[in-house]
Amino acid sequence: QQQVKQSPQSLIVQKGGISIINCAYENTAFDYFPWYQQFPGKGPALLIAIRPDVSEKKEGRFTISFNKSAKQFSLHIMDSQPGDSATYFCAASMERGYQKVTFGTGTKLQVIP
Amino acid sequence: GAGVSQSPSNKVTEKGKDVELRCDPISGHTALYWYRQSLGQGLEFLIYFQGNSAPDKSGLPSDRFSAERTGGSVSTLTIQRTQQEDSAVYLCASSRLGGTEAFFGQGTRLTVV
Repeated sequence: QQQVKQSPQSLIVQKGGISIINCAYENTAFDYFPWYQQFPGKGPALLIAIRPDVSEKKEGRFTISFNKSAKQFSLHIMDSQPGDSATYFCAASMERGYQKVTFGTGTKLQVIP
Repeated sequence: GAGVSQSPSNKVTEKGKDVELRCDPISGHTALYWYRQSLGQGLEFLIYFQGNSAPDKSGLPSDRFSAERTGGSVSTLTIQRTQQEDSAVYLCASSRLGGTEAFFGQGTRLTVV
C-alpha cells in the first residue's frame, strides 16, 4: 500500500516538445505529492509539489496534474529543453502521522536538439 | 550546515572488507533516510529514522547492512563483508518534523573490487 508506481522508465523528447511522466499511488492517506529532479552525479532535488486539494499546479514550464479519484498524478514539462535532461522521481508522503516519503522508480528523460 | 553532508564522496574497497558511510543531516531535521542507487537505476529505500522512534529497517537488503543514528543527528551506514553487488551510490536525505521535502546529500559512490 506504500508503493508509488511511475512510468515510463525512460523518455526521449525533442526540444520544444512536451514531456509527460505518470505516477499512481495506492495509499489514500498520502496528502503530499512532490516531484524530484536528479542530474548525473547529484542527489535528487525538489522540483515542484502538489497537495490533493487542487487538481493542477504550474511553475514555469512544469505542471503537476492531480486526479484524486483515480489516485494518479503526472508531471508535464512544456517546451522541453536539453537542460531538462535528468532523472525525475515522483513521490508521496503524509504530512501527519507516519511521514516517510515513498519514491517512484524514476524516469530518465532525454531531450534531444 | 547548509545542506546534507555525506562522507566520503568516493570509496573503493576490497571485497570482504567492512565500510562505514557517514551522513550529517541538516541541523534540526528529525527524519533521516538512506537510499541506494545503482548506475542508472531508481532509488532503493534502505532505512528511515524519525526522531526517537524505532527505525524502519524494512529496506535493508541483508544482515550485512546496518545503520545507526547517534544523538538524533549524524548517521552511519555500515556494510559488512562487502560484495561486488554492493557497488552503488548511497544517498542520505533528511527532512524536518512535519516537513514534506526531503533534502538529499551528494551521495557516496561505493566501488567494491
